[in-house]
Amino acid sequence: GIQVEQSPPDLILQEGANSTLRCNFSDSVNNLQWFHQNPWGQLINLFYIPSGTKQNGRLSATTVATERYSLLYISSSQTTDSGVYFCAVEEGSTSYGKLTFGQGTILTVHP
Amino acid sequence: EPEVTQTPSHQVTQMGQEVILRCVPISNHLYFYWYRQILGQKVEFLVSFYNNEISEKSEIFDDQFSVERPDGSNFTLKIRSTKLEDSAMYFCASSGPGAEKLFFGSGTQLSVL
Repeated sequence: GIQVEQSPPDLILQEGANSTLRCNFSDSVNNLQWFHQNPWGQLINLFYIPSGTKQNGRLSATTVATERYSLLYISSSQTTDSGVYFCAVEEGSTSYGKLTFGQGTILTVHP
Repeated sequence: EPEVTQTPSHQVTQMGQEVILRCVPISNHLYFYWYRQILGQKVEFLVSFYNNEISEKSEIFDDQFSVERPDGSNFTLKIRSTKLEDSAMYFCASSGPGAEKLFFGSGTQLSVL
């Protein structure tokens, strides 16, 4: 099956700093999503981004499908951004929602 | 904003007992899923459900597991005879017509003793 690698595994920031999280995947995908798992365990969908660039407030994401990676940018980080960020992909040409998750990046933002 | 709701939030059971985890997906969604996350590990796909039947399932989803959409709003996961290794957070999710963006519920933490 497809392999999903996220880096860095851990990231510690001061409030206000910017960061970039990376997701590499081993095969062609038709579906790529970024999730934030907050300290209460809830999975929040940040982006559906199989290709291209999207922005939502302080967050933006870029997927370069031909080179098999995606980046999540967090600008002016806040303590509420803390949690685990997961990249999840679905291989193949048709989307069924069968996502393979990476191991996640644990982000800690200090005040 | 519409959301996926799951009940109960926590479930404790004895090994060998049957459990049913319940979910109410977003009302106009057509695809329904169960995922699980063992403590400290990544989220894993269990099963997807579309048009009243299973469309995909993982190796984890063996004969001990079943899913059902008993009415127009609920979606359930049944574990027939729980094992210690079934202890995990179980997430229900749903997506719209294109099975693209998935929306997850808050999860049910299952503890098997």
